Amino acid sequence: KQEVTQIPAALSVPEGENLVLNCSFTDSAIYNLQWFRQDPGKGLTSLLLIQSSQREQTSGRLNASLDKSSGRSTLYIAASQPGDSATYLCAVPSPYNTDKLIFGTGTRLQVFP
Amino acid sequence: NAGVTQTPKFRVLKTGQSMTLLCAQDMNHEYMYWYRQDPGMGLRLIHYSVGEGTTAKGEVPDGYNVSRLKKQNFLLGLESAAPSQTSVYFCASSPLGDYFSYEQYFGPGTRLTVT
Repeated sequence: KQEVTQIPAALSVPEGENLVLNCSFTDSAIYNLQWFRQDPGKGLTSLLLIQSSQREQTSGRLNASLDKSSGRSTLYIAASQPGDSATYLCAVPSPYNTDKLIFGTGTRLQVFP
Repeated sequence: NAGVTQTPKFRVLKTGQSMTLLCAQDMNHEYMYWYRQDPGMGLRLIHYSVGEGTTAKGEVPDGYNVSRLKKQNFLLGLESAAPSQTSVYFCASSPLGDYFSYEQYFGPGTRLTVT
């Protein structure tokens, strides 16, 4: 059974710091890994999707890497801003039914001025 | 494009009442999903649909029914609400494509409280 873990559960940093959020998964037979952002009381917004053949994807100040063999992905946020404060979730398709996503429980990030 | 929309945004039910949550998407996506999100449990899949007229069970289907009569709409029904169904419900959709690249797009959520 695929399990997805995110550490830390919460993170509070001053503005301007570079951050690394971690996501690990137990079954490396994945087609892709998706990172989402969720603002309080809101839905999920897709940030980046890394296909299994890719090592990383970049969007603005965000960079996500994927190491299938070790079952890990990291989301790097450069020069953090208060507007980055949100919960960040990673998700992978189930190995047995790729129509289903398995989510981690998220990292709640607070960036203070 | 409105993307994925959900109706209603908030609802309070008494135990035993019934209700239907509506999800609509205007992106012509084949796949649609219903999730619930609970503190400490993350998002869990309730039911999903791979096309008009089809539905399938997810991880936590008990107590819920769904219908996909039109491609753009996916309905989630609670026939007899229970306090354990207090949660935030999210609908999502994704296009038909290769497994490597398809993404899921989420609605804003419905916050349901069952007393």
